[in-house]
Amino acid sequence: NAGVTQTPKFRILKIGQSMTLQCAQDMNHNYMYWYRQDPGMGLKLIYYSVGAGITDKGEVPNGYNVSRSTTEDFPLRLELAAPSQTSVYFCASMAAQGRHEQYFGPGTRLTVT
Amino acid sequence: QKEVEQNSGPLSVPEGAIASLNCTYSDRGSQSFFWYRQYSGKSPELIMFIYSNGDKEDGRFTAQLNKASQYVSLLIRDSQPSDSATYLCAVNDPTGGGNKLTFGTGTQLKVEL
Repeated sequence: NAGVTQTPKFRILKIGQSMTLQCAQDMNHNYMYWYRQDPGMGLKLIYYSVGAGITDKGEVPNGYNVSRSTTEDFPLRLELAAPSQTSVYFCASMAAQGRHEQYFGPGTRLTVT
Repeated sequence: QKEVEQNSGPLSVPEGAIASLNCTYSDRGSQSFFWYRQYSGKSPELIMFIYSNGDKEDGRFTAQLNKASQYVSLLIRDSQPSDSATYLCAVNDPTGGGNKLTFGTGTQLKVEL
C-alpha cells in the first residue's frame, strides 16, 4: 500500500492564480482531512469528508474548496491564491472503525508571492 | 473555541534522560488523546494514543491521562538523539461529526549528546 499520497510536493503560485492540491489514499478509508500548518503552529483543519459525496468545513475553510467524488481521492482547490495561503498542506485519512488513527501524507509546500 | 495547549519549548534533555512533555485541553467531552511526532520538514506520525485515565506504556514511551485535570503527558525514557523532533498533542473534537482532531502547536524536543 502506498498509504496517503499528495502531489505536488512543492509549488510557487502568483497572487490570484488557482491550483488544485491532489490527495489520494489506497487504504479504503472513509474519513479524509485537509490541514494547513504554518511555521511554529499546529495543524489547522480546512475541510474534511466522512465519505464519497460528503464534505464539511473545518476551522479555516475560507479561500478553499474540496470535492470527494470517490473514496480514494480528496482534492483541495485554491481559488485566487493570496499570500496568507502560503503554508504546508497535509492530507490525512482515517478508517471508520478502529482506534481512530489519522494517517498523514507527505505534505505540499505552497508559496504564494 | 476548543483549545489544546502545549509549551512550545525547546525542551532540552541529555541523552539517556527522561523527557516529559505536557498538554492541557479545554473540552471536557473529549475522549481520545494522541501524541504525534513530527520531524522537521516531515509529516506527523502517531506514536501513542490513550483513551482511559492512567498510564499507557509502549516501549520507551508512556502516555498519562488525567481527565479530571484535563491533562495529558508523554514521557520518553532513555531519550535518544533520534527523538529530537516536535511532539504534537491532539484531542478528539466530540462536537459535530467526522472524528475531527484539535492539535496543539507542539513542543520541540532536543536530545543532546
